[in-house]
Amino acid sequence: GNSVTQMEGPVTLSEEAFLTINCTYTATGYPSLFWYVQYPGEGLQLLLKATKADDKGSNKGFEATYRKETTSFHLEKGSVQVSDSAVYFCAPLSGFQKLVFGTGTRLLVSP
Amino acid sequence: DTGVSQNPRHKITKRGQNVTFRCDPISEHNRLYWYRQTLGQGPEFLTYFQNEAQLEKSRLLSDRFSAERPKGSFSTLEIQRTEQGDSAMYLCASSLVGRGPEAQYFGPGTRLTVL
Repeated sequence: GNSVTQMEGPVTLSEEAFLTINCTYTATGYPSLFWYVQYPGEGLQLLLKATKADDKGSNKGFEATYRKETTSFHLEKGSVQVSDSAVYFCAPLSGFQKLVFGTGTRLLVSP
Repeated sequence: DTGVSQNPRHKITKRGQNVTFRCDPISEHNRLYWYRQTLGQGPEFLTYFQNEAQLEKSRLLSDRFSAERPKGSFSTLEIQRTEQGDSAMYLCASSLVGRGPEAQYFGPGTRLTVL
């Protein structure tokens, strides 16, 4: 089945710093890939997605590119804000059905 | 608000009691999913429905757990004879599946505490 590995957190950055959160996956075939964000005390929110190789998903200044050759889907943002502090989950879609989540990466942004 | 809703938001129960959670998906969505999330972990898949049919159940879903979606709209997840290990956040998500994979949209979750 599918699995995902994310960099361990917490990732601690100052406001306006560049963000990269690494995500690699193992999968049968070419799954759609998603990033979800969980703010403190809230549910999961869809951040962005990509459905095929070389697709770039983007939203709210965040970007991630589907790299089939390296089975990666790294999340990037050029300038983080304090309000971006949250837990970020990378998730491939297994068999067009279930999302497979890793343990998530906590991001802490200080002013 | 037309997002996924879940009730109750919090449930505290004693070991051995039965509990039932409800999920109302986004109205036009034909798929509904249940996940479980424990502290510090990512969500784990439990089961999903397409319309009223339950199509897959995880091995995590013991025989104490049952889920229904009788009219293809809202769903209920029941846990019988709760155990302390059942304490977790139970998440519901929905999606509209047509010609390809679509994103799943999550509700706020029901936090279960078993004493």
